[in-house]
Formats: sequence, C-alpha cells, structure tokens
Amino acid sequence: KQEVTQIPAALSVPEGENLVLNCSFTDSAIYNLQWFRQDPGKGLTSLLLIQSSQREQTSGRLNASLDKSSGRSTLYIAASQPGDSATYLCAGNRDDKIIFGKGTRLHILP
Amino acid sequence: DAGITQSPRHKVTETGTPVTLRCHQTENHRYMYWYRQDPGHGLRLIHYSYGVKDTDKGEVSDGYSVSRSKTEDFLLTLESATSSQTSVYFCAISESNLAEQFFGPGTRLTVL
Repeated sequence: KQEVTQIPAALSVPEGENLVLNCSFTDSAIYNLQWFRQDPGKGLTSLLLIQSSQREQTSGRLNASLDKSSGRSTLYIAASQPGDSATYLCAGNRDDKIIFGKGTRLHILP
Repeated sequence: DAGITQSPRHKVTETGTPVTLRCHQTENHRYMYWYRQDPGHGLRLIHYSYGVKDTDKGEVSDGYSVSRSKTEDFLLTLESATSSQTSVYFCAISESNLAEQFFGPGTRLTVL
C-alpha cells in the first residue's frame, strides 16, 4: 500500500531564505506526484505536477523534483516571503488512487 | 481558478439523518473526486468518478455512496450520518487520471 510521508510536520524560516520541503513515498511505480498549498480554512491550490517520466518542474520561485528510485520528491522555494506561509502537501498517484502526505506547516518569519 | 463549487459550504446535522453534498464543475473534466480531511489523518479519498455513471471506491468509502448523472455534478451521500463523519469534505476534478487535480472550497460537516 502506498504511503506518503512529509517531514518535518512544521517549519519556521526567516524571510528571504531558500528552503526545501521533503516528501517520501513507498511505491516507486507512481504515475505522478503533485504539490499543493493549503491556507487555513481554505481548499487546496495546485502548485506543481511532476509526471513519472519527468525529473523536475518549475513555476516562478518554486521548483519540484522527483526521484522515483529513491522514493523522494522535494519542493524548493527560493527567496521565501511571508505570503508563502501555508501548509504544503504532496500527493502520489497510482492506479487512479491518490495518496496524500499529512503536510508540512510552513511559517515564514518577517 | 478552476470552476468548482461545493454546496452547502457548512452543514450541521444529527446522527442518523441522510446528508447529500454536491460538487459542481464548469470545466467539463472527466474525473471527479471526493475527499475528507481530518486532523491526524490528512486527506483521504472517499470515492471517485471517471465518467458519467462510472464510479469507484477510494480508501475510506464505507458509509458513503456517490452518483454522477451528469458530467458537471458529483454527489456524495451519507445515508445515515454518524459522528465519525464529522469532517471537511473536498471535491476535486481533473481532465484525466494523470492530470493535475483542482480542488473546490470544501464543505464543513458537523454530525451531532
């Protein structure tokens, strides 16, 4: 059974720093991996989707990588801003079943 | 933003009553999903649909049923609500099973 783990559960970082969020998964045969952000009391906003044939995707200050052989994905945020404060979730997709990690709660300190 | 709405946005009901949540999309996406989000468990897939009248179970389907009679609408029904079904319910859509998922704003359900 696919398991998706995100460590740490919470992270505080001074504004302006670059940071990396981690996501690990047990089933390397995933079809794709997606990163989301969730603000308190809100729905999920899609950030990046990486297909199994890709190694990374970039959008603005965000870069997501995927290493299927090691069962890991990372989300790199450059030059962090207070507006980046949110919970970040990753989700692995296999056989039409999507398994979410429990998220990393990120707080950017002004 | 993807055109996804959920109704109602908030609902309080009593144990044993039936409840139906509605997800409506204007994107003509083939796939639609229902998730629940709970502290300590994260997001879990309840049911999903891959076309009109085509549905399948997810990780936590017991106590829930779904129906999709039109491309744009996906209904989640709790036949007899229990307190363990108190949660925030999210609907999501995608063009295919490999495509990006887009989420609705959520429905907060409280079962007393």
